[in-house]
Amino acid sequence: DTEVTQTPKHLVMGMTNKKSLKCEQHMGHRAMYWYKQKAKKPPELMFVYSYEKLSINESVPSRFSPECPNSSLLNLHLHALQPEDSALYLCASSQVGEGDFYNEQFFGPGTRLTVL
Amino acid sequence: AQSVTQPDIHITVSEGASLELRCNYSYGATPYLFWYVQSPGQGLQLLLKYFSGDTLVQGIKGFEAEFKRSQSSFNLRKPSVHWSDAAEYFCAVGAWNDMRFGAGTRLTVKP
Repeated sequence: DTEVTQTPKHLVMGMTNKKSLKCEQHMGHRAMYWYKQKAKKPPELMFVYSYEKLSINESVPSRFSPECPNSSLLNLHLHALQPEDSALYLCASSQVGEGDFYNEQFFGPGTRLTVL
Repeated sequence: AQSVTQPDIHITVSEGASLELRCNYSYGATPYLFWYVQSPGQGLQLLLKYFSGDTLVQGIKGFEAEFKRSQSSFNLRKPSVHWSDAAEYFCAVGAWNDMRFGAGTRLTVKP
């Protein structure tokens, strides 16, 4: 299984709602990532988890709260978002470590988020 | 700091014509380089990657890329474009936990 899955595909939420995005992989990867992608822009890294521990937080506002409950799952909890947070949220996974084998990230199809 | 530049925001080619998408990188050591393709509203699909060895890399869907250290470039090529190749193409450089993407090149294919 060389797939990263993300649910839901689309999400519409109000600014007072609480929702969660889910990402899953069964490739045995120990690094998982959240990216945010605005229209016509490249993906921007938000968070990196390595061995289920948060290793990189790219100064993301606290209204985004990541969680990695186990090595296969990654969640992104959303609360009190703003309309400018509307974007495609991409999850990725990879092996951990230095060396040729470890550097490829596998991406999921993304969740299209709209904040009203 | 590592970075990637894709000089062309938008390219239009006729179906059946050849294609070259440019990518220039800045990286302190031996770079790990990637080309991804993204169709509208979809995730990123890896076309090819370069880690070391042969500087001409073959990928999926008939794409290839050539690593030129002297020019700090990793340009993507395809000899004959198909209408289904219309998409956004991203060049990326980096390690497993620090991947930097270029701004992307949007490819339009004319019938």
